[in-house]
Amino acid sequence: GAVVSQHPSRVICKSGTSVKIECRSLDFQATTMFWYRQFPKQSLMLMATSNEGSKATYEQGVEKDKFLINHASLTLSTLTVTSAHPEDSSFYICSACGTRSTDTQYFGPGTRLTVL
Amino acid sequence: AQSVTQPDIHITVSEGASLELRCNYSYGATPYLFWYVQSPGQGLQLLLKYFSGDTLVQGIKGFEAEFKRSQSSFNLRKPSVHWSDAAEYFCAVGAKGNAGKSTFGDGTTLTVKP
Repeated sequence: GAVVSQHPSRVICKSGTSVKIECRSLDFQATTMFWYRQFPKQSLMLMATSNEGSKATYEQGVEKDKFLINHASLTLSTLTVTSAHPEDSSFYICSACGTRSTDTQYFGPGTRLTVL
Repeated sequence: AQSVTQPDIHITVSEGASLELRCNYSYGATPYLFWYVQSPGQGLQLLLKYFSGDTLVQGIKGFEAEFKRSQSSFNLRKPSVHWSDAAEYFCAVGAKGNAGKSTFGDGTTLTVKP
């Protein structure tokens, strides 16, 4: 139980294009999902908290117009990197908390984004 | 403010040897503590968590961790390491009801020698 998937697992795009990453909770409903960014050999940095049916809450320093988050259902949240640039290249990981408990988050496998 | 320190950036152990990964935290209230494992190019898998109760917590894959409030520590242990345990390990501290606001340590890379 508590499986979270991400799609795509890796994506390569040209500078200036937009990329959408999906995060799905497969066997549970998630009212809250989180988006992280991880640089090589570093820890996770929380980018934003995504709540179903409401606007995402962004951490300080994260551009909300750059990283668009939509949480349209209890099982799906999307992160769109708009007008991507090489410095946006990173490993993006989502996590989800179930409706019964927000004490534990379950992580997706991550998406490797490379912007050329 | 909450913080997590994992003093060891890289640890190498022989297969079959015991393992202890250190984690020290700073948190103003009762902490929720987690250990995660990350294989290369993968997301994080929860190994175990401590919320309250017995300070010795058992997790998956034969791991355990002990919460020591007096030392602000939550060290991860395994009596006999397997080659498949080679990975990155993260300790995290969070708040009740707000797992996403967890603070992660910088991680410890475990290498297992044959």
